[in-house]
Amino acid sequence: QKEVEQNSGPLSVPEGAIASLNCTYSDRGSQSFFWYRQYSGKSPELIMSIYSNGDKEDGRFTAQLNKASQYVSLLIRDSQPSDSATYLCAVVTGGTSYGKLTFGQGTILTVHP
Amino acid sequence: NAGVTQTPKFQVLKTGQSMTLQCAQDMNHNSMYWYRQDPGMGLRLIYYSASEGTTDKGEVPNGYNVSRLNKREFSLRLESAAPSQTSVYFCASRPTGGETQYFGPGTRLLVL
Repeated sequence: QKEVEQNSGPLSVPEGAIASLNCTYSDRGSQSFFWYRQYSGKSPELIMSIYSNGDKEDGRFTAQLNKASQYVSLLIRDSQPSDSATYLCAVVTGGTSYGKLTFGQGTILTVHP
Repeated sequence: NAGVTQTPKFQVLKTGQSMTLQCAQDMNHNSMYWYRQDPGMGLRLIYYSASEGTTDKGEVPNGYNVSRLNKREFSLRLESAAPSQTSVYFCASRPTGGETQYFGPGTRLLVL
């Protein structure tokens, strides 16, 4: 089993819809979770971080964390064509203090007008 | 404030050639990382440096060496390039006490 797995894509949603991206992780000791967005040919950029169970909202983005189920998700409301990108789930794993991130394989999101 | 910079942006090598990928950050971050990204694989950690003078292996270190030259610079060396090392390489840095990693623009490497 991979340490961090994301729902297989690609995901295609119409403009204005809610896009739902999911991620599961295997290390029960993980405490820190991140969502990165990566446009084609560019480097990853952080869009959300979450550390506690529940929801965290930032504009059109909501991250949800359930540590009991080892599940983290990202909802994008009112999706725009500019949201079309690869979304990477990342988890601090290994219980070290060195901040090593383990990434999922990424989910390609396409928002069509 | 340039953030994290990487050179070169693109490189073509022949099998067996060597090269060094350069990374520098001007944010006074202690920790630095090298990742490779292959299609459908996400990012995989090659090596990291928790602080100046220390380096440790990540998930896929075989075929690579690193040097933390000083606090700003962290280089990745391929001693004898192989086609399997064709990839996009990203350098990242992280401040002490924080967990957000900041990525450079990447180096696209093609090994023929």
